[in-house]
Parts: sequence; C-alpha cells; structure tokens
Amino acid sequence: DAGVIQSPRHEVTEMGQEVTLRCKPISGHDYLFWYRQTMMRGLELLIYFNNNVPIDDSGMPEDRFSAKMPNASFSTLKIQPSEPRDSAVYFCASSLGGSGPQHFGDGTRLSIL
Amino acid sequence: GESVGLHLPTLSVQEGDNSIINCAYSNSASDYFIWYKQESGKGPQFIIDIRSNMDKRQGQRVTVLLNKTVKHLSLQIAATQPGDSAVYFCAENGPSGTYKYIFGTGTRLKVLA
Repeated sequence: DAGVIQSPRHEVTEMGQEVTLRCKPISGHDYLFWYRQTMMRGLELLIYFNNNVPIDDSGMPEDRFSAKMPNASFSTLKIQPSEPRDSAVYFCASSLGGSGPQHFGDGTRLSIL
Repeated sequence: GESVGLHLPTLSVQEGDNSIINCAYSNSASDYFIWYKQESGKGPQFIIDIRSNMDKRQGQRVTVLLNKTVKHLSLQIAATQPGDSAVYFCAENGPSGTYKYIFGTGTRLKVLA
C-alpha cells in the first residue's frame, strides 16, 4: 500500500523565493496534517484539515505560510517569501478519523539560503 | 511534554538485549498514546498505540506500558536488533476536541553489535 507521498524530498532555494511543498495522503484518509521539524523545536503542528477543510491553523507561524487542500488526494504548503529561518524538515501526515494514528510521509528537507 | 531541545537522550543497548524507552506525558486528561520510530532521513513511523483504558499492549517484539497514576509511558523492545536503531517519540492526544498530538522530545536508541 502506498503511504503518504511528499515532494520534493529536498529543496534548496534563496531567501525571498516562493516555495511549494506537496503532499498526497493515504487514499481514504480524511485528516491531513502538516508539521515542521527542527532540532531546536522538535515536531510542531502547523495546520490540519478534515475532509479538505482547514480546521486549525494556529500553528502556522506567519502570514507568509499558507496551506490548501483542493481535493482529498492533494495538499500544498506554500511559503512566500521564504526566509532562512524557515529551513527545516516539513512533514505531511494523514489519518482515518482524527483520533487514530497519524501516518507520516518522509518529509521535505527545505534549506533557505 | 512539548517537543523541544537540542540534545536527545541516548540509550545504548547491546544487540539481543531488551530495550526500555521511557516517556513522561503532560496531560492527565490524555486518553490516547502512540509510539513512533524515526530513522535518519525518514518520517516518523507508527509502532504501537494504547488507549487509557488499558495498562499494557503488545505487538511484534514491542510492548507499551501505561501508568496513568504517574503519567508515564514506556516502550519495551525485545531482542533489540541493529535495525531498531532510531529516534523514538511518544505522542499523546492534545486538547479535547482537537486532533493535535503532543510529541515528546525523543530518545535515540543505539544498538551495539
């Protein structure tokens, strides 16, 4: 069975550029989560969706961050403009029902120069 | 507890021995707990979960113990193998009515040959 698929796996770009991270959740899962992981802060929840609708975006750090889920099989996390402090690994996870285990993708390692 | 910190605690175990990884959780109202394994360059991988109406749950070579009195969770790995080397996170469900997890700091398990 295909797990959560994220792209790209690595992204290196200069500050000020727009960055778009992509996620395909596990088919049939109705919850989708975006996380950021850094050495200093560990895993932080940025936003989560239920049935394609954003439920809680209180973890989104600034207006430079936005996330969309146009359909059940695709979500994007966009940073515009990007800054060096956005460098981190970004994970997408999905679950069947919000109270069940979340299944993670392998992440996008983002480096902003 | 919140997932913060630069230095992960490390547990070194001889191959073939049993490993015990501990976690203190923060919210006495939490009723669902998960252990994740994260290998280098990959996303957290679900290992086992437990609900608060249970004290113990067993999987393949893994056992999770829950002590609600002292808000403590442990993961036991039997006959530890080199492939078990990774960072292990516990997670608890967050505030009631949300589907946010609170992740622990993580423990690095090193298996010595």
